[in-house]
Amino acid sequence: KQEVTQIPAALSVPEGENLVLNCSFTDSAIYNLQWFRQDPGKGLTSLLLIQSSQREQTSGRLNASLDKSSGRSTLYIAASQPGDSATYLCAVPPNTGNQFYFGTGTSLTVIP
Amino acid sequence: KAGVTQTPRYLIKTRGQQVTLSCSPISGHRSVSWYQQTPGQGLQFLFEYFSETQRNKGNFPGRFSGRQFSNSRSEMNVSTLELGDSALYLCASTLTGTGWNTEAFFGQGTRLTVV
Repeated sequence: KQEVTQIPAALSVPEGENLVLNCSFTDSAIYNLQWFRQDPGKGLTSLLLIQSSQREQTSGRLNASLDKSSGRSTLYIAASQPGDSATYLCAVPPNTGNQFYFGTGTSLTVIP
Repeated sequence: KAGVTQTPRYLIKTRGQQVTLSCSPISGHRSVSWYQQTPGQGLQFLFEYFSETQRNKGNFPGRFSGRQFSNSRSEMNVSTLELGDSALYLCASTLTGTGWNTEAFFGQGTRLTVV
């Protein structure tokens, strides 16, 4: 069974800092990995999808990398803003069955 | 294009009652998955439907059930509600839910409170 871990569980940074969120998974036989953002009480917003054949994917100030062999992905947020405050989740879809495996998330607070 | 729509957004029910939640996936998507999110347990998989068939089911009691219609819209039903069923229920829409076609889009969720 795939296990997904996210470190750190919580992070508080001053506005403007660059930061890195980490995601690790135990089964490297994946098709892709997806990063989500969740605001309190809301649904998940897809941020980036990295296919297993890719090493990086970028969207604005966000950059996600994927290293399948080591079972790791990182989400890099440049020049953080208070509006980035949210919980960030990484998810790995299954190779069989249809259940996404989610990490427990990193709760990010960006202090103005 | 329209996103994933979940209705209602909020529900308050009494213990013992039943509830039905609805999810309309992105047009063209045929796979709908349901998840329960609670502060203590995180996101837990309930079940997944594809072309009106349940393909996978999580570890939830039989009080939780679902179905999918020919237009891919899905409903989930919880009977004999318990206080512990209070949670945010999320549905995810994917093209086919397998292999490379697993990019997921989530709805805003239904917040269920059982009193």
